[in-house]
Amino acid sequence: RKEVEQDPGPFNVPEGATVAFNCTYSNSASQSFFWYRQDCRKEPKLLMSVYSSGNEDGRFTAQLNRASQYISLLIRDSKLSDSATYLCVVRGSPTGRRALTFGSGTRLQVQP
Amino acid sequence: DGGITQSPKYLFRKEGQNVTLSCEQNLNHDAMYWYRQDPGQGLRLIYYSQIVNDFQKGDIAEGYSVSREKKESFPLTVTSAQKNPTAFYLCASSIDTHGQGSFGAFFGQGTRLTVV
Repeated sequence: RKEVEQDPGPFNVPEGATVAFNCTYSNSASQSFFWYRQDCRKEPKLLMSVYSSGNEDGRFTAQLNRASQYISLLIRDSKLSDSATYLCVVRGSPTGRRALTFGSGTRLQVQP
Repeated sequence: DGGITQSPKYLFRKEGQNVTLSCEQNLNHDAMYWYRQDPGQGLRLIYYSQIVNDFQKGDIAEGYSVSREKKESFPLTVTSAQKNPTAFYLCASSIDTHGQGSFGAFFGQGTRLTVV
């Protein structure tokens, strides 16, 4: 089983749509959670951290369910510029491996 | 400007040669990482370092070597023992904290290595 699993997509949605991505992680001791965005042939860029209480940044909302080991990202009012691959990322426990573990990514294509 | 610089952007290597990829950061970050990405795939961890003069193997360390003699620098050597080195190599750094409020890692622009 992969440490971080995501639906690879692609998700094809019209402009203005709401789209949700899900991610599960296997290490219950994981401490920190993030969503990254990666454009084609570019480096990943940090989109937002994910907190237990849930957090929002403009059109983006992230949720964490530690009991189910599940992370989500909701994008409202999709824009053409949101087209990219979204990577779910987990950091291990302080006593374990603290490097970031990446999911394989979910590709989003927003269409006019 | 603060950031992470990887060089070169493109690198061609003949089979049997070792090559070294450079990664420098001026963010004063403690932790640095090397990842490999193959087309259509996620990032896989090669090596990481949490402090100077210390580093740990990641999931795919075979055929690679690193050093961390300075906080700012974390070069990666792809040796001839690496059977399939053609890939996109990404270096990242982060403040080494965890738990609520911890920070993610920031990436350089990557090096595309091709074996010819």
